[in-house]
Amino acid sequence: AAGVIQSPRHLIKEKRETATLKCYPIPRHDTVYWYQQGPGQDPQFLISFYEKMQSDKGSIPDRFSAQQFSDYHSELNMSSLELGDSALYFCASSLGALGRGYEQYFGPGTRLTVT
Amino acid sequence: KQEVTQIPAALSVPEGENLVLNCSFTDSAIYNLQWFRQDPGKGLTSLLLIQSSQREQTSGRLNASLDKSSGRSTLYIAASQPGDSATYLCAVRWETSGSRLTFGEGTQLTVNP
Repeated sequence: AAGVIQSPRHLIKEKRETATLKCYPIPRHDTVYWYQQGPGQDPQFLISFYEKMQSDKGSIPDRFSAQQFSDYHSELNMSSLELGDSALYFCASSLGALGRGYEQYFGPGTRLTVT
Repeated sequence: KQEVTQIPAALSVPEGENLVLNCSFTDSAIYNLQWFRQDPGKGLTSLLLIQSSQREQTSGRLNASLDKSSGRSTLYIAASQPGDSATYLCAVRWETSGSRLTFGEGTQLTVNP
């Protein structure tokens, strides 16, 4: 079965550079979520999109922005990178976001290292 | 504040033992609860999803229970194997927090041969 695809899998950037992470949800899934997992920490919710509109916003820095495109893939843009942005970034997708019970399926993550 | 807590933080057991991982949450108004497995530096694999109206879910050697009123969930692993060694995370979707999942800090399980 098709899973959530994330690219790139690994990314090394220098401080103050910009990074773009991409997420391709499971076919027919209309909702995408982004989470950040720092070293030794649990995943923290950043932002989500339902039918190409932002549906929820968590602890996402102002330096980050994201969008969902017409084909439902999503991109997380990160500017003015800081050392503290080094983390594993997960994308998840689900069929529907409103109402009960929709299971979120996670991608393999993008490991971002800022030097 | 809506929080998820997992105890213990780490657990080491001999192969073949049955074990229970605990998850507690502060607000009982949940949509669902998911248990995940994470290998070191790897992604999150969903193990079981329990809807708020359900009491338990089973998949193979795994059984997850949910007691909303007490704010608790347990993950039972039968006949543990070294391949079960990983970090297990529970995550809650609350009725009042949109569609986001709030994760516990996980239990790091080691099953010794």
